[in-house]
Amino acid sequence: GEDVEQSLFLSVREGDSSVINCTYTDSSSTYLYWYKQEPGAGLQLLTYIFSNMDMKQDQRLTVLLNKKDKHLSLRIADTQTGDSAIYFCAESISSNYQLIWGAGTKLIIKP
Amino acid sequence: DADVTQTPRNRITKTGKRIMLECSQTKGHDRMYWYRQDPGLGLRLIYYSFDVKDINKGEISDGYSVSRQAQAKFSLSLESAIPNQTALYFCATSDSIYYEQYFGPGTRLTVT
Repeated sequence: GEDVEQSLFLSVREGDSSVINCTYTDSSSTYLYWYKQEPGAGLQLLTYIFSNMDMKQDQRLTVLLNKKDKHLSLRIADTQTGDSAIYFCAESISSNYQLIWGAGTKLIIKP
Repeated sequence: DADVTQTPRNRITKTGKRIMLECSQTKGHDRMYWYRQDPGLGLRLIYYSFDVKDINKGEISDGYSVSRQAQAKFSLSLESAIPNQTALYFCATSDSIYYEQYFGPGTRLTVT
């Protein structure tokens, strides 16, 4: 069945770039998403990319999609303490309207 | 006011008790979802509803039931709570065209 995988933790120094990676298995994905969950809060959509795109940039965020390898990444430039959160990768499947979720990557910022 | 609200935000209950978690939305979306979140497991879908008359089981529906009282309201019930249902529960909504989901703040449920 469909699966989305992420590493559980990433630790970076404040001011460095963070790169969070995700792999997925279903080649019929239409959209791929990055959600952010801050402590004690629900998930909020951070950005998304349509499956026919390779890259999307939005201020400090860059999303790269490699469809051949089924690999998605989120780069956060100049990482700040406010970026501390859990980041979820999710894919939508064209056959239904559900999202398939990764387990989430906890981003830890070191001073 | 928040677009998706959940009540209660926190609940401690005992094994065997019946409990209901409620979700309301003001986004006018047809689709509503209930997820549970466990550390290291991400989000797992419990039930989803595409409209008031269309309710579907998700990945982990055993031990749960739902009711879609109106377009804006979707409640989740645990008929007889057990400790491994201790988790963070999220309600989410989406519209009929796009896949983006909007989440409530979550309900932290502890079953002792």
